[in-house]
Amino acid sequence: KQEVTQIPAALSVPEGENLVLNCSFTDSAIYNLQWFRQDPGKGLTSLLLIQSSQREQTSGRLNASLDKSSGRSTLYIAASQPGDSATYLCAVRNQGGKLIFGQGTELSVKP
Amino acid sequence: NAGVTQTPKFQVLKTGQSMTLQCAQDMNHNSMYWYRQDPGMGLRLIYYSASEGTTDKGEVPNGYNVSRLNKREFSLRLESAAPSQTSVYFCASSRKDNTEAFFGQGTRLTVV
Repeated sequence: KQEVTQIPAALSVPEGENLVLNCSFTDSAIYNLQWFRQDPGKGLTSLLLIQSSQREQTSGRLNASLDKSSGRSTLYIAASQPGDSATYLCAVRNQGGKLIFGQGTELSVKP
Repeated sequence: NAGVTQTPKFQVLKTGQSMTLQCAQDMNHNSMYWYRQDPGMGLRLIYYSASEGTTDKGEVPNGYNVSRLNKREFSLRLESAAPSQTSVYFCASSRKDNTEAFFGQGTRLTVV
């Protein structure tokens, strides 16, 4: 059974800091991994999708990496801003097609 | 440019009542999903449909039924609501199993 873990559960940083969010998964037989952002009371917004054959994806100040063999992904946020405050979720798509989520990291960026 | 649309946005039910949560996508996606989100539990998969006419159980299917009515619509039914089903429910879709998933805005359900 695929299990996805995100560490830390919560993180508070000062504005301008670079930060890394971690995601690990137990079964390396995945199609892809997707990072989402969720604002309080809202739905999920897709940030980055990494296919199993890829090592990283970049979008603006965000960079996501994938090491499938070790079951790990990281989301790097450069020059953090208060507007980045949200919960960040990673999800892996296993080869049965199901999308399995971690519990999220709640990020707070202080001005 | 609606994407994934869920109705209703809010609902209060009494224990034992039934209801159907509706989800529709206009992106011609094959795969659709239902999740529930509870504090401290993350998103847990209830049911999954890889294509029209097929459904598969997720992590927490008990107490729920689904119908993939056509390619656009995937409904979730609670036959006899229980307080433990108080949650926020999200529907999602993706074009294929290996493509990006998109989410609706959620349905906040309270069972009293």
